[in-house]
Amino acid sequence: EAGVTQFPSHSVIEKGQTVTLRCDPISGHDNLYWYRRVMGKEIKFLLHFVKESKQDESGMPNNRFLAERTGGTYSTLKVQPAELEDSGVYFCASSRGGNIQYFGAGTRLSVL
Amino acid sequence: GQNIDQPTEMTATEGAIVQINCTYQTSGFNGLFWYQQHAGEAPTFLSYNVLDGLEEKGRFSSFLSRSKGYSYLLLKELQMKDSASYLCAVLNDYKLSFGAGTTVTVRA
Repeated sequence: EAGVTQFPSHSVIEKGQTVTLRCDPISGHDNLYWYRRVMGKEIKFLLHFVKESKQDESGMPNNRFLAERTGGTYSTLKVQPAELEDSGVYFCASSRGGNIQYFGAGTRLSVL
Repeated sequence: GQNIDQPTEMTATEGAIVQINCTYQTSGFNGLFWYQQHAGEAPTFLSYNVLDGLEEKGRFSSFLSRSKGYSYLLLKELQMKDSASYLCAVLNDYKLSFGAGTTVTVRA
């Protein structure tokens, strides 16, 4: 069974540009989560999908961040326009129910 | 708010035992998780406690006391490959709140 996959593994962009991160959850997992770890801090929750519906986006930093999960399969997280403080590692996780969340390796975003 | 504390670093010798403590104060609780993360890789699920007591999985064991807001992860018969960051996380509904992680270094 394939794990959670994220693309790209690294992204380097300039301030003001747009970046789109992609996450493919484990097949059959209805729950999909996005988390972020900024430099020196702990991993923090961003949002949660159940199938294609956003259940909670209380962790999204501001309206420059937009997450979608069309069709309830893969998800994208777009940052537009990117700012310096958006640099960090963005993790995606998925779960079948509400318990064990399986994580991807993350996308390391560097905003210059 | 959520407050989850764990030591920053620990060092131990190959073959030894190490115990990583985690204390938490959270607004809700549906379980406590431990993840292992090697640099540049995905956090990997290790164990999960919902009820008080000890859960054993091979060389790894995890303990929970809900009344004390306390958990520990016990790593036995340490191997070099166990050098990694260990993350304590509390589940509240569907959100995981993480500690900053404990970097364990295993020396030969």
